[in-house]
Amino acid sequence: EPEVTQTPSHQVTQMGQEVILRCVPISNHLYFYWYRQILGQKVEFLVSFYNNEISEKSEIFDDQFSVERPDGSNFTLKIRSTKLEDSAMYFCASSQQTGVGNSPLHFGNGTRLTVT
Amino acid sequence: GNSVTQMEGPVTLSEEAFLTINCTYTATGYPSLFWYVQYPGEGLQLLLKATKADDKGSNKGFEATYRKETTSFHLEKGSVQVSDSAVYFCAQINNAGNMLTFGGGTRLMVKP
Repeated sequence: EPEVTQTPSHQVTQMGQEVILRCVPISNHLYFYWYRQILGQKVEFLVSFYNNEISEKSEIFDDQFSVERPDGSNFTLKIRSTKLEDSAMYFCASSQQTGVGNSPLHFGNGTRLTVT
Repeated sequence: GNSVTQMEGPVTLSEEAFLTINCTYTATGYPSLFWYVQYPGEGLQLLLKATKADDKGSNKGFEATYRKETTSFHLEKGSVQVSDSAVYFCAQINNAGNMLTFGGGTRLMVKP
């Protein structure tokens, strides 16, 4: 069964550094998402992306964050200047249509980001 | 705004025990509701869903019924196995269908 893949599985970076988290969504999916889960807390929505633009974003997704689909297969999340509180598990997801009814979101295994 | 509240864990059960994990939601209208499961070291997997009131989602012996009158979507399983040990997340989707709101997750531990 096709799956969403994320790399790396664990990323350690120093505060203030830029980090790029990478995702390869399922190939025939059109909608892409990033979520994050701070240790011991809820899974929180960050952003959704369709047709090469952001369709929805949360208040967490401020100017330090950006997303890009640089080619036909990758979907990336960039954090420009990481803060300690950005340490979390970041999940990429994709869906064929918007995630209602018969088109659920498929999640990757996540990238654990540790900011020191 | 929309929110999802589920019972805090951990829930510890013996094998073959009955499981209930409570979930309630607040929303404008009638969102689709989901249960996701996260096994250790893995991502979130869709377990089951219900898209309208009184629908029952089911998968792998788990069931949940969309109750509009109590705004609930409780997860149940008649006989849990050790392999069911995981974190379970209740979620709803917004009207545009592009944003899931998750509950806090409930860790289930099943002992042999």
